[in-house]
Amino acid sequence: AQSVAQPEDQVNVAEGNPLTVKCTYSVSGNPYLFWYVQYPNRGLQFLLKYITGDNLVKGSYGFEAEFNKSQTSFHLKKPSALVSDSALYFCAVRGSTLGRLYFGRGTQLTVWP
Amino acid sequence: NAGVTQTPKFQVLKTGQSMTLQCAQDMNHNSMYWYRQDPGMGLRLIYYSASEGTTDKGEVPNGYNVSRLNKREFSLRLESAAPSQTSVYFCASTDRYLSNQPQHFGDGTRLSIL
Repeated sequence: AQSVAQPEDQVNVAEGNPLTVKCTYSVSGNPYLFWYVQYPNRGLQFLLKYITGDNLVKGSYGFEAEFNKSQTSFHLKKPSALVSDSALYFCAVRGSTLGRLYFGRGTQLTVWP
Repeated sequence: NAGVTQTPKFQVLKTGQSMTLQCAQDMNHNSMYWYRQDPGMGLRLIYYSASEGTTDKGEVPNGYNVSRLNKREFSLRLESAAPSQTSVYFCASTDRYLSNQPQHFGDGTRLSIL
């Protein structure tokens, strides 16, 4: 069975500091992992994905994610946070059944000035 | 480039009323999905359509029906709305099932059932 866990409901960080949003997953077979961001009253926007290859994946807006197979983790990172990064972040894994995504519960990121 | 368009954006219904949420994509995608988003629960799949002419239940299909009208359009119907269906509904699409490409999401329909 596929599942995703985001252990932190909220992450708070000061502008300019590095940020990490955590994600662990459970999947049968090869993992296909995604990060999405949601701003208020908007849909989910794709940030980055891991399919295969390098464990460090670079995405939009300066975000990157580190895939760790042994720890079954896919943490989202950014070296220097911006106030405009404040949003709700979702990690997702693609299941083997018809491409559906399994989402974590989301992590609210707040970056204060 | 509109992407995925959902209508209406907001709706308030009374218990027992019916309505249809509309979704259309202009990316020539084969697969389309309906999710609901509730606080603290992430997104849960209601129904999906792997390709035109096919639909399948997701993890929370009770109280809903869908229609894949054509390749572009995938509608979600509430036959007899219940307060438990108060939620934000998102439609998504991707080029094909088992794709490595991300799903594209609409901006959602915010539905309140009184």
